[in-house]
Amino acid sequence: EPEVTQTPSHQVTQMGQEVILRCVPISNHLYFYWYRQILGQKVEFLVSFYNNEISEKSEIFDDQFSVERPDGSNFTLKIRSTKLEDSAMYFCATGQGEGNTIYFGEGSWLTVV
Amino acid sequence: LAKTTQPISMDSYEGQEVNITCSHNNIATNDYITWYQQFPSQGPRFIIQGYKTKVTNEVASLFIPADRKSSTLSLPRVSLSDTAVYYCLVGDGGQGGSYIPTFGRGTSLIVHP
Repeated sequence: EPEVTQTPSHQVTQMGQEVILRCVPISNHLYFYWYRQILGQKVEFLVSFYNNEISEKSEIFDDQFSVERPDGSNFTLKIRSTKLEDSAMYFCATGQGEGNTIYFGEGSWLTVV
Repeated sequence: LAKTTQPISMDSYEGQEVNITCSHNNIATNDYITWYQQFPSQGPRFIIQGYKTKVTNEVASLFIPADRKSSTLSLPRVSLSDTAVYYCLVGDGGQGGSYIPTFGRGTSLIVHP
């Protein structure tokens, strides 16, 4: 069964450092999403990406965040200057755009110290 | 966006059938109903999706009454490994990434030996 893969699975970084989280979507999917889940809290939407541009973003997705699909395969989330409150599990999700089925990766656990 | 309401938690025992009901009174004509399962520290996993009546796959069944204002996820003969959080989402899939799957608190199912 095709799956969304994410790397790294776990990253520890110092406050103020830049972090890049990577996602390889399911091959025929055109819609890409990043979500995050702080420990014990809800899965929160960050951003959606379609046709090489951001479609929607939440208030969480401020100027320190950016997304791109540099090589037509990987879909990346960059956090420019991490803060302690950025510690969370970050999930990539992709979909074909039919109905509302999107498929999630296993997540990247980010710890900011 | 249709708001969903589901129980915060449920308890069951191995071998029993579990039914989790989700209310979505303001569901729109184009909306689909999708259920996800999430284990701790993992990404949400798609379980089942339906529009009306009954849908069944190898994991679960989804019952949707004619008015579509609620839906029931049915898990036959649960095991300890079914202990997870179950989310009900409602939406139309959108075009160009305009639909944003939004997660609530979900239903925390605990299966006891």
